[in-house]
Amino acid sequence: GQQVKQSSPSLTVQEGGISILNCDYENDMFDYFAWYKKYPDNSPTLLISVRSNVDKREDGRLTVFLNKSGKHFSLHITASQPEDTAVYLCAAGATGGNNKLTFGQGTVLSVIP
Amino acid sequence: GPKVLQIPSHQIIDMGQMVTLNCDPVSNHLYFYWYKQILGQQMEFLVNFYNGKVMEKSKLFKDQFSVERPDGSYFTLKIQPTALEDSAVYFCASSHYRESTGQLYFGEGSKLTVL
Repeated sequence: GQQVKQSSPSLTVQEGGISILNCDYENDMFDYFAWYKKYPDNSPTLLISVRSNVDKREDGRLTVFLNKSGKHFSLHITASQPEDTAVYLCAAGATGGNNKLTFGQGTVLSVIP
Repeated sequence: GPKVLQIPSHQIIDMGQMVTLNCDPVSNHLYFYWYKQILGQQMEFLVNFYNGKVMEKSKLFKDQFSVERPDGSYFTLKIQPTALEDSAVYFCASSHYRESTGQLYFGEGSKLTVL
C-alpha cells in the first residue's frame, strides 16, 4: 500500500494567495518529513524538512506543519508566485532507515497571475 | 548548488538487452541512491550504496539489477536482461551523511524505455 499519500493531484491558486499542500503517512516509525519541488524534466530539490520533535518549521514563505497524532503534514506557501508553479513531492523517512525516503505521488501546483 | 549528473537522459532498448545508467554524484558525497518512477506513479526507493557496498535494497531491486562505483568513478545501475516493466525514469541521488537532514541531491533522471 501507499505509505505516503498526497490526495490532491493538483491545486490552483491565485497569485498572492496561500498554497496549502497536504500529505498523509502510515508508518509510525517515520520521524523525518520533507517537501521537494520538481520542475518538468528537472531534478527534485529539497525545499524544507522537519523532524518529529517539532510540529512547525518556517523558512521564508514556506512553513511545514506536522500533526503526528493525525499522521499528516502540510506545506504552506504564502504570497504564492507564478514561479512556484511546479510539482511538490512530500517524503518521509525513519532514523536508522539508511536515509531511505518514501515519496508521495506529487501535487501539481499552478499559481495563476 | 551541488549537482548530480545522469547519463544518458533517455535510452530506448529492446527487451532482453543490457543497459547501464550512469550517475556522477556530488563530489564529496559518500552515500548514493537509485529511485525508480514509473509514469504516473511516485518515486520509489531501489537501493542505497556506501563504501563499495549495497546497504539496503527494496523488493523492486530485482536480481537482474546491480550497482557499483568502481574506483570513485560513475555510480552505475545495470539491468541485465531488461524487461518491459523496467521502463521508467531512474533518479540517482547522493548525500554526504547517512543520517543527514535527508538532504538528498537528485539528478534529472534517466528515462528508460524497453520495447
